[in-house]
Amino acid sequence: EPEVTQTPSHQVTQMGQEVILRCVPISNHLYFYWYRQILGQKVEFLVSFYNNEISEKSEIFDDQFSVERPDGSNFTLKIRSTKLEDSAMYFCASSDSSSSYEQYFGPGTRLTVT
Amino acid sequence: ELKVEQNPLFLSMQEGKNYTIYCNYSTTSDRLYWYRQDPGKSLESLFVLLSNGAVKQEGRLMASLDTKARLSTLHITAAVHDLSATYFCAVDPTTDSWGKLQFGAGTQVVVTP
Repeated sequence: EPEVTQTPSHQVTQMGQEVILRCVPISNHLYFYWYRQILGQKVEFLVSFYNNEISEKSEIFDDQFSVERPDGSNFTLKIRSTKLEDSAMYFCASSDSSSSYEQYFGPGTRLTVT
Repeated sequence: ELKVEQNPLFLSMQEGKNYTIYCNYSTTSDRLYWYRQDPGKSLESLFVLLSNGAVKQEGRLMASLDTKARLSTLHITAAVHDLSATYFCAVDPTTDSWGKLQFGAGTQVVVTP
């Protein structure tokens, strides 16, 4: 069964560094998303992406963040100048154009900023 | 701004008994999802509810949606240990945007003998 994959599974970085989190959405999906979940808290929407541009973004998704689809398969989240409070699990999701727009989530990348 | 409230936040279940988790949301939407999350794992899709009165069932779980009351319920029948997990409802605010899922805080379910 097709699934969303994410790499790395765990990323440790120092405060102020830049990180890139990578996702491979399900191959025939057209809509891509990033969410984050701080430990023990709810899942928060960051950004949605369709047709090579951002569709929606939350207040969390400020100039520190950017997304890109560098090729036909990858979808990346870049976090510049990381802060301690960026430590969280980051989930990528994708959906197709069916009426349900059901989002399928990847396994997540745990980002630890020290 | 869309608010999604789940209750209870923690539910201790006895095996064999029935329980309900509630999900209230603050603005009009006709697209609601239920997810399960095991500790340290990703979100597993349980149900997609797309219209008023929608009811879906899978095994011991049944979800329903009342868009007029802005309420969804997840009913667990005859709880068993492997249902222990955190359950999230998520609402898609389809009136002004789509795909921007707003999650509830989650209900942590622990099933004991």
